[in-house]
Amino acid sequence: KNEVEQSPQNLTAQEGEFITINCSYSVGISALHWLQQHPGGGIVSLFMLSSGKKKHGRLIATINIQEKHSSLHITASHPRDSAVYICAVIPYNTDKLIFGTGTRLQVFP
Amino acid sequence: EAQVTQNPRYLITVTGKKLTVTCSQNMNHEYMSWYRQDPGLGLRQIYYSMNVEVTDKGDVPEGYKVSRKEKRNFPLILESPSPNQTSLYFCASGPGQGLGTQYFGPGTRLTVL
Repeated sequence: KNEVEQSPQNLTAQEGEFITINCSYSVGISALHWLQQHPGGGIVSLFMLSSGKKKHGRLIATINIQEKHSSLHITASHPRDSAVYICAVIPYNTDKLIFGTGTRLQVFP
Repeated sequence: EAQVTQNPRYLITVTGKKLTVTCSQNMNHEYMSWYRQDPGLGLRQIYYSMNVEVTDKGDVPEGYKVSRKEKRNFPLILESPSPNQTSLYFCASGPGQGLGTQYFGPGTRLTVL
């Protein structure tokens, strides 16, 4: 079993829909990252969380440390949001990153 | 412009021929790391470095070497490449592992025949 699980693996949506991507992990962590990988392959860091909630534009990330769960929400989705979204955790007392396998999102006009 | 650069971007080589993929960052970051990305397996960490002369293994270090002689550079060395090292490789840097944004290079697509 992977230490970081994402769901769903694939997601399609109509423009304007509210999107939720989930990340569950099985180890104690010091922080969690959400990344976006564009169709061309480039990777961009969206958020780094250790507690609570962060918002940037139409993106919102939340984390519940007790439940070992994080969510990434996209409000008013747009075709340019089409990408692979990747969750990564930093286990306690390490400097490593462990990644989920990603959620492929396609938003249609 | 703040950036992480990798070279080469594409490389086709043969089994056993030593190669180096360079990585350089201009943000004075302490933390640098190498990852490989494979279909169905996602990103996996190969090696990371918390500072000059400090390196440590990630989850898949076998067959790879790294060095951190200068803060800005973190080359990945494949002494004797094998076909199972065919992959997409990313370098990244950050101010500190859990402490901030990670900046990724554009990726290097390596094929070992």
